[in-house]
Amino acid sequence: DTGVSQNPRHKITKRGQNVTFRCDPISEHNRLYWYRQTLGQGPEFLTYFQNEAQLEKSRLLSDRFSAERPKGSFSTLEIQRTEQGDSAMYLCASSSPRNPAVYGYTFGSGTRLTVV
Amino acid sequence: AQSVTQLDSQVPVFEEAPVELRCNYSSSVSVYLFWYVQYPNQGLQLLLKYLSGSTLVKGINGFEAEFNKSQTSFHLRKPSVHISDTAEYFCAVSVPMDSNYQLIWGAGTKLIIKP
Repeated sequence: DTGVSQNPRHKITKRGQNVTFRCDPISEHNRLYWYRQTLGQGPEFLTYFQNEAQLEKSRLLSDRFSAERPKGSFSTLEIQRTEQGDSAMYLCASSSPRNPAVYGYTFGSGTRLTVV
Repeated sequence: AQSVTQLDSQVPVFEEAPVELRCNYSSSVSVYLFWYVQYPNQGLQLLLKYLSGSTLVKGINGFEAEFNKSQTSFHLRKPSVHISDTAEYFCAVSVPMDSNYQLIWGAGTKLIIKP
């Protein structure tokens, strides 16, 4: 297992276009998280999956954002009608079924989105 | 509500000098505390964590941190930095939410090593 994989690494899109990012977690990790990180800030929680169920959503996740994890394996994050304010690094992390505070979170390298 | 404050956005330090990166948190519940490092264009890597027990925690790459409950701090230290330590460092607390734990992050501190 090569860790958490995110694709693409970089995405440049025009305002108003839709974009989709993919995250492949560590295979035995049933928990998956999406974060957004803007310049000069720490990551902000967006949403959390346990298996295929989306259990938590931040109020940061507007109606233009949707995340799925259809088979409890990989996850996608889609942003519709992108705005310049969506420009950020989108990070994915996964953790095992056990307490992640003890056993840890593994982060991917992120997808950097630039909306022009 | 829980929050994490990293008091310095940037810390310049000469190579082989000691460094301290400051982190303070506020929480009404017991928390777990973490330091992560982010190298340019990379994801976040765990440096060290405090769960319970000894308040002095040792991590990777020669870093250590001390948990101070009375001051609600978790400062990160290294006695002698190397150019390869140039990165951004994030302090985080893990707080329970309904079905899991959530990480609350500080804004990060950029460590700049001067040759």
